[in-house]
Amino acid sequence: RKEVEQDPGPFNVPEGATVAFNCTYSNSASQSFFWYRQDCRKEPKLLMSVYSSGNEDGRFTAQLNRASQYISLLIRDSKLSDSATYLCVVNSPGTYKYIFGTGTRLKVLA
Amino acid sequence: DAGVIQSPRHEVTEMGQEVTLRCKPISGHNSLFWYRQTMMRGLELLIYFNNNVPIDDSGMPEDRFSAKMPNASFSTLKIQPSEPRDSAVYFCASSPTTGLEAFFGQGTRLTVV
Repeated sequence: RKEVEQDPGPFNVPEGATVAFNCTYSNSASQSFFWYRQDCRKEPKLLMSVYSSGNEDGRFTAQLNRASQYISLLIRDSKLSDSATYLCVVNSPGTYKYIFGTGTRLKVLA
Repeated sequence: DAGVIQSPRHEVTEMGQEVTLRCKPISGHNSLFWYRQTMMRGLELLIYFNNNVPIDDSGMPEDRFSAKMPNASFSTLKIQPSEPRDSAVYFCASSPTTGLEAFFGQGTRLTVV
């Protein structure tokens, strides 16, 4: 089993739609979780950290489910500019390593 | 701060040549990571340093790859000899401390022909 797994997509959604991605992780001792966004031919950039209690930043909501070992990202009222690849990142416990999922591609259509 | 700075941005080289990629982390960050990204395998962690010391190089594909961090503000990733299958985007990232988010440089797009 991969350490971090994501559905590669693509998810094609119309503008204004709500879309959600999940990401599963294998190590139950993992403590830090993040969502990164990567635009085509650019570097990954932090979108948001994922806290145990869940957190929201504008149209974006991240949640953590420790029992089932997954994190989720919800995007409401999708914009064309949200089109990108969304990378799930999990810190490997006891190390300084960040393990990246292969990413989920989102295309928001006009 | 200028962020993580990588050079060169693009490199095209012939098979068998030595390639050196450079990275300047964000000042004050004590963790540095080298990643390789391809379409097939996504982002792979090659090696990471903490306080200039290599902690885990288990992701380095083979002996042709080596990385150094002689001081807190500079790191290199060297491939010698290079092969076409090394073609990828190589990212350097730094983090202020364990468990916090990593900040990426713009990457070096390497093509080995």
